[in-house]
Amino acid sequence: GQSLEQPSEVTAVEGAIVQINCTYQTSGFYGLSWYQQHDGGAPTFLSYNALDGLEETGRFSSFLSRSDSYGYLLLQELQMKDSASYFCAVRDNAGNMLTFGGGTRLMVKP
Amino acid sequence: ETGVTQSPTHLIKTRGQQVTLRCSSQSGHNTVSWYQQALGQGPQFIFQYYREEENGRGNFPPRFSGLQFPNYSSELNVNALELDDSALYLCASSHEPGNTEAFFGQGTRLTVV
Repeated sequence: GQSLEQPSEVTAVEGAIVQINCTYQTSGFYGLSWYQQHDGGAPTFLSYNALDGLEETGRFSSFLSRSDSYGYLLLQELQMKDSASYFCAVRDNAGNMLTFGGGTRLMVKP
Repeated sequence: ETGVTQSPTHLIKTRGQQVTLRCSSQSGHNTVSWYQQALGQGPQFIFQYYREEENGRGNFPPRFSGLQFPNYSSELNVNALELDDSALYLCASSHEPGNTEAFFGQGTRLTVV
């Protein structure tokens, strides 16, 4: 089976940097993904890490350490529109199922 | 390019009834996955369809079943509805089963009373 742990809530101010951590326990591992979901909206893909290291996409970066079963999503220059829930998710050995963490609700304040 | 669309957006059913939810995949995508998302939780994988065949199933009872059609659209059927089935049901499509990016629809909010 698979399980993922991430903080339930994080609060930060506009313009700041925030890091959302994710630790996982899996029987197989094909990579760690991050999704953003605004209230009432669909989850949208942010990033994917299959190998160790940092992937940068604009204001968002994602990091993976397979030896530590750990990853994080880094959001820079926070904007009010970044207030949303963020989910880490791993793909199993067969490559066809995403297991999601419980989500981190990010609140950005002025 | 048309995104993933789901219908209906909201639905209220009585315990014991049956429900069918529908999903049209994004153009060019042959793989559809269904997820159940309870309030305040992450999505949970129900099953995936690839080229009209079930291609993986999560920890859900047999009363959750599905179909995929030749145009790659899909249905999720739930029989003998229980109160705990109340949730947001999300459909996600991708080019192939192992693709790293899944494109989600807005979901169907099912309430069982």
